[in-house]
Amino acid sequence: GESVGLHLPTLSVQEGDNSIINCAYSNSASDYFIWYKQESGKGPQFIIDIRSNMDKRQGQRVTVLLNKTVKHLSLQIAATQPGDSAVYFCAENSGGSNYKLTFGKGTLLTVNP
Amino acid sequence: EAQVTQNPRYLITVTGKKLTVTCSQNMNHEYMSWYRQDPGLGLRQIYYSMNVEVTDKGDVPEGYKVSRKEKRNFPLILESPSPNQTSLYFCASSLYATGNYGYTFGSGTRLTVV
Repeated sequence: GESVGLHLPTLSVQEGDNSIINCAYSNSASDYFIWYKQESGKGPQFIIDIRSNMDKRQGQRVTVLLNKTVKHLSLQIAATQPGDSAVYFCAENSGGSNYKLTFGKGTLLTVNP
Repeated sequence: EAQVTQNPRYLITVTGKKLTVTCSQNMNHEYMSWYRQDPGLGLRQIYYSMNVEVTDKGDVPEGYKVSRKEKRNFPLILESPSPNQTSLYFCASSLYATGNYGYTFGSGTRLTVV
């Protein structure tokens, strides 16, 4: 598969542990945030989103936390599985006339069996 | 199945030989966009389209062209490819041109220009 994440921050966890992936975003005016998962050789896949009027949102095994004061976003994955191994990106809607998502550089999550 | 389809998946070409990467979505999405992904630089927007016949430059448009003659198709054209356009390219679409909706991405096109 392709290597899409050279020089990335990495997180290595044991299967069954909880994972926390962090992201600092840049634009205080951003009002919508998304976490994407990218497996080797594939396009980014939507995981969960959150709007700026919320500070927490839960999905299946995933939780996103938003701290607008310090412009910080985190993704928590419960009971991490080998299939969770991937690069994870946060993205923000930085507004303007172009509905554009600005992506972070990504974090490589490796789950050890 | 709702999806964004890109072709080809892999392409090796020579400098200066015009090429087109196709992108098609079957979700009746208004918004479509092209990104390139490079190590250490992440995903950067090349061009986007808010709707049919409405296109505009993203952050790294130099050397690329696009067209949006139909809602479902958004081809990326490299008139005279150069080695610095070697990259992994993704097409993405979103339901509406404004508002907060996530992108659906294609599977990517790995382009090598020699």
